[in-house]
Amino acid sequence: AQSVTQPDIHITVSEGASLELRCNYSYGATPYLFWYVQSPGQGLQLLLKYFSGDTLVQGIKGFEAEFKRSQSSFNLRKPSVHWSDAAEYFCAVDFSGGYNKLIFGAGTRLAVHP
Amino acid sequence: GAGVSQSPSNKVTEKGKDVELRCDPISGHTALYWYRQRLGQGLEFLIYFQGNSAPDKSGLPSDRFSAERTGESVSTLTIQRTQQEDSAVYLCASFRSGSSDEQFFGPGTRLTVL
Repeated sequence: AQSVTQPDIHITVSEGASLELRCNYSYGATPYLFWYVQSPGQGLQLLLKYFSGDTLVQGIKGFEAEFKRSQSSFNLRKPSVHWSDAAEYFCAVDFSGGYNKLIFGAGTRLAVHP
Repeated sequence: GAGVSQSPSNKVTEKGKDVELRCDPISGHTALYWYRQRLGQGLEFLIYFQGNSAPDKSGLPSDRFSAERTGESVSTLTIQRTQQEDSAVYLCASFRSGSSDEQFFGPGTRLTVL
């Protein structure tokens, strides 16, 4: 079955430190890949997406992600975390070939220490 | 409105009662999705509407769940004979094919079944 795994349920970093959130998906044809952020009391917001082309994609709020086909991974990174980045992050994968039927990972909750 | 809206924002009901949740998508968005997010978990796909095509109901967990959408407008998700395990946040998203391929999410309806 198609699945998306976010191995880290909870991560804590210090403000200014770098961040990497992991995402792996089950093998299949190259899917469409997304990262969403959900802040407390807010709806989900798209950070970035990968469909094709350059495997390093830039998103909003200084985030980037790299698609590695050989590892079936799409890890999210940020070089310097801000306190406002504390939120829950979801990796999502569209295996449906563009019909945007997304399968979400369980999420990683990010806490930021001052 | 500018975004996806959902009502009610909160719903508390007794086990066995029926509930109806409403989603107003962004005008012009042909696709509409319903997801369920249980506490501490990722989003589960429930159902997908695309224009006037037959909906993809593959994610509905039981026959107590149903959804309707007229054309490209409002959608309602109905849960009959609610059970405690139905307690979750129900999220709606809309999407305009051929656009940025981004799903825009509503704020959700938090359903609590006592």
